[in-house]
Amino acid sequence: SYVLTQPPSVSVAPGKTARITCGGNNIGNNSVHWYQQKPGQAPVLVVYDDSDRPSGIPERFSGSNSGNTATLTISRVEAGDEADYYCQVWDISSDHWVFGGGTKLTVL
Amino acid sequence: EVQLVESGGGFVQPGGSLRLSCAASGFTFSTYWIHWVRQAPGKGLVWVSRINGDGSSTNYADSVKGRFTISRDNAKNTLYLQMNSLRAEDTAVYYCARAQNYGGYSFDYWGRGTLVTVSS
Repeated sequence: SYVLTQPPSVSVAPGKTARITCGGNNIGNNSVHWYQQKPGQAPVLVVYDDSDRPSGIPERFSGSNSGNTATLTISRVEAGDEADYYCQVWDISSDHWVFGGGTKLTVL
Repeated sequence: EVQLVESGGGFVQPGGSLRLSCAASGFTFSTYWIHWVRQAPGKGLVWVSRINGDGSSTNYADSVKGRFTISRDNAKNTLYLQMNSLRAEDTAVYYCARAQNYGGYSFDYWGRGTLVTVSS
């Protein structure tokens, strides 16, 4: 089955840029989605289809995907961005949806 | 406003059964694929199952295949998850989520979840 690998944690100072990676075999051939989850809350879609943003998501959130790595970039990080972030793809070969293990973003 | 509201969670002994429901509103329910995703305490998100718009096609994660059954009643705008032969490792918050109808089919709306606890 398809595996997505994320770093367990990323730390960043307020106002700086955070980059969260998601590794997978030829992930560049898949559409990657990113979800933000704060404690006790349901996940929220922040980036879909590699780099598109749902309405209401700040432009500070952006995504890219190429080769074996997809990246969620959060610019001008704010304290309110502190959360767990998950990448996701649809594995067409198995018709299964796959999540990465999640990355805890800490704002210092 | 799109809303998904799960119910039916609770405490059940190993080997027992439970049926979860997900009531949808604010969109044309029958035209969307809907998924179940679970999250064990302190752990990450895990995809469980999905069903297409008219209920004719379903799929399951290997960990629940043969034990869980997803279904829907489009007349009632409701999704179900019948869970049988429950195990301790099925303990989790269960979310229903709507998939977008285009692109990579991301999950654009989620419910708040319902907690299932399997323990003796």
